Amino acid sequence: QKEVEQDPGPLSVPEGAIVSLNCTYSNSAFQYFMWYRQYSRKGPELLMYTYSSGNKEDGRFTAQVDKSSKYISLFIRDSQPSDSATYLCAMNSGGSNYKLTFGKGTLLTVNP
Amino acid sequence: KAGVTQTPRYLIKTRGQQVTLSCSPISGHRSVSWYQQTPGQGLQFLFEYFSETQRNKGNFPGRFSGRQFSNSRSEMNVSTLELGDSALYLCASSSLTGGNEQFFGPGTRLTVL
Repeated sequence: QKEVEQDPGPLSVPEGAIVSLNCTYSNSAFQYFMWYRQYSRKGPELLMYTYSSGNKEDGRFTAQVDKSSKYISLFIRDSQPSDSATYLCAMNSGGSNYKLTFGKGTLLTVNP
Repeated sequence: KAGVTQTPRYLIKTRGQQVTLSCSPISGHRSVSWYQQTPGQGLQFLFEYFSETQRNKGNFPGRFSGRQFSNSRSEMNVSTLELGDSALYLCASSSLTGGNEQFFGPGTRLTVL
């Protein structure tokens, strides 16, 4: 079993839709959870960063972490064509361990 | 503040050669991590450096090595290149005072022929 599982998609939605992206994980030591957005031929861009369980909102983006279920989500409201990219979840256990474990990424296309 | 920079952006090498990639972290960031991204395996952690010391290492063969300089700039080296080393190599920097959020550079795309 992989440490982090993420549905690769592809996911195609119309402009304005609410998008839900998810990851599950198996390592209960993970405490820090991140979502990155990666455009084609670019490096990953940090979107959301959360610690432990709970919700965090930033503009049109909401990140949720449920440690009891080992499940994290990213919601995008009012999706725009510019949101079309690959979304990667990442996590680590913190402390002096800076190794991020990534999901494979979900390719999202928002159609105008 | 300038972001993470990586040079070169593109490289073409042949099997058996060696290559050195360079990374300059965000000013003030002292931790630098390296990742390999391939379509099949996704993003995989190579190693992390802090204060010129390797603190964490991923599961890659010894052909992959790195170092960090006193100004926090980092290099990674791959010796005896194999076709399977073709990938996007990403560098990420982190400020220890800001948690372990990591900010990535644009990557170096290495093609091994």
